[in-house]
Amino acid sequence: DTAVSQTPKYLVTQMGNDKSIKCEQNLGHDTMYWYKQDSKKFLKIMFSYNNKELIINETVPNRFSPKSPDKAHLNLHINSLELGDSAVYFCASSRLPLGAIHEQFFGPGTRLTVL
Amino acid sequence: EDKVVQSPLSLVVHEGDTVTLNCSYEVTNFRSLLWYKQEKKAPTFLFMLTSSGIEKKSGRLSSILDKKELFSILNITATQTGDSAVYLCAVGGANNLFFGTGTRLTVIP
Repeated sequence: DTAVSQTPKYLVTQMGNDKSIKCEQNLGHDTMYWYKQDSKKFLKIMFSYNNKELIINETVPNRFSPKSPDKAHLNLHINSLELGDSAVYFCASSRLPLGAIHEQFFGPGTRLTVL
Repeated sequence: EDKVVQSPLSLVVHEGDTVTLNCSYEVTNFRSLLWYKQEKKAPTFLFMLTSSGIEKKSGRLSSILDKKELFSILNITATQTGDSAVYLCAVGGANNLFFGTGTRLTVIP
């Protein structure tokens, strides 16, 4: 049983396109996240979503928008893709929100390549 | 500015060696420090530390936090090739989680 799953695993697309990455967790957690890991393996939080409260890392361009249809899903939609968006995107979930003591469970990642 | 700094950036050791990985931080409203192991895919959780001086241990791995000096260490004794990975340190603040760039450990047979 996969705790945190993401689709697709790989995504190759042209600059300027709009794409979405889906994430689902079956852990019953209240909080979900999106992370970006660049080519240097630096992991940076993009969004945290807890009980309809969205906490955004203000360095994230507004071309990126998270959408949560329910507690178990947090999808990431990206408009007008740019070359610099190429990275591995990880979804994660935790029982408690940011600011509380917590452990995060990560999905397998989606490798996005923008040509 | 909040930051998490890990050292060394990379480390190559022989099987059986003991290694110490370092993580120092400056994070506003510190909540917790977490260690993760990342092999080829997703990071997997190792430890969460919130109090100074209390060692967390799991098999050959152990970790301790010093909140006065703002650092943590991760020790791995009797290293094995399966320990080869990137070890990530993350520090939770009020509304954010900051990751270091990781230490790449390579264990040679």
